[in-house]
Amino acid sequence: DIQMTQSPSSVSASVGDRVTIACRPSQNINTYLNWYQQKPGEAPKLLIFATSKLVSGVPSRFSGSESGTEFTLTINSLQPEDSATYYCQQSYKTPRTFGQGTRVEIK
Amino acid sequence: QVNLQESGPGLVKPSETLSLNCIVSGDSISSGSYFWTWIRQPAGKGLEWIGRIYSSGTTSYDPSLKSRVTISADTSKNHFSLNLSSVTAADTAVYYCARDSGGMGIQHWGRGTLVTVSS
Repeated sequence: DIQMTQSPSSVSASVGDRVTIACRPSQNINTYLNWYQQKPGEAPKLLIFATSKLVSGVPSRFSGSESGTEFTLTINSLQPEDSATYYCQQSYKTPRTFGQGTRVEIK
Repeated sequence: QVNLQESGPGLVKPSETLSLNCIVSGDSISSGSYFWTWIRQPAGKGLEWIGRIYSSGTTSYDPSLKSRVTISADTSKNHFSLNLSSVTAADTAVYYCARDSGGMGIQHWGRGTLVTVSS
C-alpha cells in the first residue's frame, strides 16, 4: 500500500494568513494527488485533483503544487470558513489511501 | 446532478454482517468510467478506503478488509451495496458511498451513515 504522510497534524492561523499543508507519499504517485476539505458532520469535499487542478467553484485562494516527492496544499488569505480538516489522497493505485488529516483552526 | 444516498441499519451486533446500500441518482452505475466506492470514518479519525466496484462489475478491496468485504451492484435498481462480515466494535464508523472519477478524484459523496457495532 502507498502510505500518505501529512504534516502538520494541526495548524492555528489568523484570518488573512497563508497556510501550507504537506503530503508525502511513500512511493511514486505521478501527479495523482487530490485534496479534500471536511467540516464537522459533513462529507469530504474535493478541492483539488491531479496535484494542482482546482475543482470548479472552489475559491482561488486554494492551490496545490508538487516539489520533488512532496505535495503541498496552500490556502492564501485564510478565511473563517476555511476552518476544517484537510486530507490528501492518492489515486495512483489501489487501495486508495488518505493522509491522516490536518486540522486548520482560526485564531 | 449526481446524488448518492446511503441506507441501512444504524446498529449491528458483533459477529454479524453489516449491510449498506447506496442509491444513485443522476447517473447510471452501469455506464461511464467511474468507480463506485465505499469509504468509512471512525469517530474523530481519518478516512479509510474500503473498496470499489467498476461499471464493468470489477471489484477492488482494501487488503486489510478483503476477507470480510463484498461490494456488489444492482443495475436494475441503480444502486450498489457493501457487505462487511464478522463485525467488531472497530467497524463502528460513518460509512460513505462515493463516485470516484479515478485521476480526477472523488467529487460526489453521500452524506454518510453512522453504523454502530454493539450488542
